[in-house]
Order: sequence, then structure tokens, then C-alpha cells
Amino acid sequence: QQQVKQSPQSLIVQKGGISIINCAYENTAFDYFPWYQQFPGKGPALLIAIRPDVSEKKEGRFTISFNKSAKQFSLHIMDSQPGDSATYFCAATPGGYQKVTFGIGTKLQVIP
Amino acid sequence: NAGVTQTPKFQVLKTGQSMTLQCAQDMNHEYMSWYRQDPGMGLRLIHYSVGAGITDQGEVPNGYNVSRSTTEDFPLRLLSAAPSQTSVYFCASQLAREQFFGPGTRLTVL
Repeated sequence: QQQVKQSPQSLIVQKGGISIINCAYENTAFDYFPWYQQFPGKGPALLIAIRPDVSEKKEGRFTISFNKSAKQFSLHIMDSQPGDSATYFCAATPGGYQKVTFGIGTKLQVIP
Repeated sequence: NAGVTQTPKFQVLKTGQSMTLQCAQDMNHEYMSWYRQDPGMGLRLIHYSVGAGITDQGEVPNGYNVSRSTTEDFPLRLLSAAPSQTSVYFCASQLAREQFFGPGTRLTVL
């Protein structure tokens, strides 16, 4: 049973465009929602994260939008660049040192 | 700090062989995990540990064993490799809510 559903699985965006990746969760005990970025041949690395007490968090060109009532959250990459080409994973975790549940990942390709 | 290190980077096994994937971290993190990454399946948790001497199963534990004798090391053992275990394996340590991943081991079982 997939507790965090992520879409799309792949995404092609032109340079300068907006990349949008969506995730939905089921477990209302989740209270921390990170996004990880993975470049080919590397391990994932934390990109940005949000808690459900805020509806949006922005770090540079990366923004998380969070809709608690719909149990959905999304990653927006503004002014997408070829260097953003990577696989992006959304994730969710309940409180404390608990198991992290990952989405299936989205492979983003930003073309010049 | 080296962070999280994994060895080997690549490995080819024959069905039925056993091997140990090594993972070490130098950040003194209590929480460590093993994941496998497969196309279309994302990252799936195999086993995890909340501290030395304490381990527990994740989502896909069958065919894998772990132990945690020290805070630094968290090896993953394949007892009798099967083609279904062909995957990329990532070890991670955790501080607060952030996971720190190693570079991965690409394993092929023939």
C-alpha cells in the first residue's frame, strides 16, 4: 500500500519554465514533509521540507505548497534550469525518529 | 567528515551467493536505515536501527539481515542472493528529521 503517492513519474520542462511535482498522503499522523533531490549516480539529498502548520515554504527557486485538508503537497521549481535535471522524491514522516515513507520519484529533465 | 560511506560501489553475484554491504557514518547519528531503489518503486525501507544493538524491519526485509554493534556501522547481509535482489542499495543516517544518504551500491544478481 503506497502511503505517499507521487506524480508524474517523469517530467520534461523547458529552461526557464516551472516544474511542478505533486504528492498526496493518507496517514494523518505524518507531520513532516521533505523533498529529496537525487542526481544520477548519487544518493538522495534533502532539498526542502515543510511542516503542516504552514501552507507554503520557499527557498530560492524551490517552493513547497501544502494543503492539509486535501492531504496534498507539491514542489514548484521556478525558472527551471538544466542543472535541476534530477530525480525528486517527496516523503512523509510522523513525529520523532520514525520511518520515512517516500514517493516513487519523479525524473525531471530540463531541456535548453 | 566523510559522512555516510558505502562499499562496494558495484557488485555482481551469482544466485545463492552471500555477501555483506558495508555502511559507515562518522556523524554519531543514532538512527540508520537501509533502502533499495528500483525503477517505478521509489525508495523502499529494508531495515532500520535506532541505536547500537537495536534493529527492526522495514517494508521489504525478506532475504536481508542487519546488525548494529556500534553507532558507526550498519552492515546489510544478503544470505542467499536472488535475481529479485538486483537493485541499488542506499544506506542513510538520520539527525532530527533529515536523512543523509550514502553514494549507494549497485548490485546485480545473475
